[in-house]
Amino acid sequence: GAGVSQSPSNKVTEKGKDVELRCDPISGHTALYWYRQSLGQGLEFLIYFQGNSAPDKSGLPSDRFSAERTGGSVSTLTIQRTQQEDSAVYLCASRRSGANVLTFGAGSRLTVL
Amino acid sequence: SQQGEEDPQALSIQEGENATMNCSYKTSINNLQWYRQNSGRGLVHLILIRSNEREKHSGRLRVTLDTSKKSSSLLITASRAADTASYFCATEGKTGANNLFFGTGTRLTVIP
Repeated sequence: GAGVSQSPSNKVTEKGKDVELRCDPISGHTALYWYRQSLGQGLEFLIYFQGNSAPDKSGLPSDRFSAERTGGSVSTLTIQRTQQEDSAVYLCASRRSGANVLTFGAGSRLTVL
Repeated sequence: SQQGEEDPQALSIQEGENATMNCSYKTSINNLQWYRQNSGRGLVHLILIRSNEREKHSGRLRVTLDTSKKSSSLLITASRAADTASYFCATEGKTGANNLFFGTGTRLTVIP
């Protein structure tokens, strides 16, 4: 597609439930990033995929968070047993090989009640 | 944390004035980038400056980089109400797999 697409745009869930957030990067972009942005805060790095290499998971805050990228394209961020502190906007970005600049999606706003 | 910090956290100016935002970071970098975020939206890339550059211009934007002080500034000249947004710096480190770490952001309000 023309841009990075994220779904859902908004998700309200109950504490303890699992959620899945999806990111469709720009076609051909080899690198994909997930960030978390809490209300009024900066971006917290979560995970980074580069081609077929092992992902950099160093930013995942706990083992309740996981992400996968199938076929080098679509990525899913899964949060298990959600907690209220998981409430945030989850931003996905992609980057083409050799480029320095990230293209961001509009984000998925997660609210955990 | 590798996260940078911007200051001020918030800035309010009149239309037509210049806005200056500063960014400090902690590690050696390959490049530093500035992004803009409108409320409720994703980030949009504005400008990139490499570690061997000291100043760069793009339209009404001027970016400086001082690697000895590990700091950068973004100047927006002749501001417009449409410049109202949050501005973030992001650094790509010399080591690591091209990861990009963002600062805490400056919220700019331009009053018409």
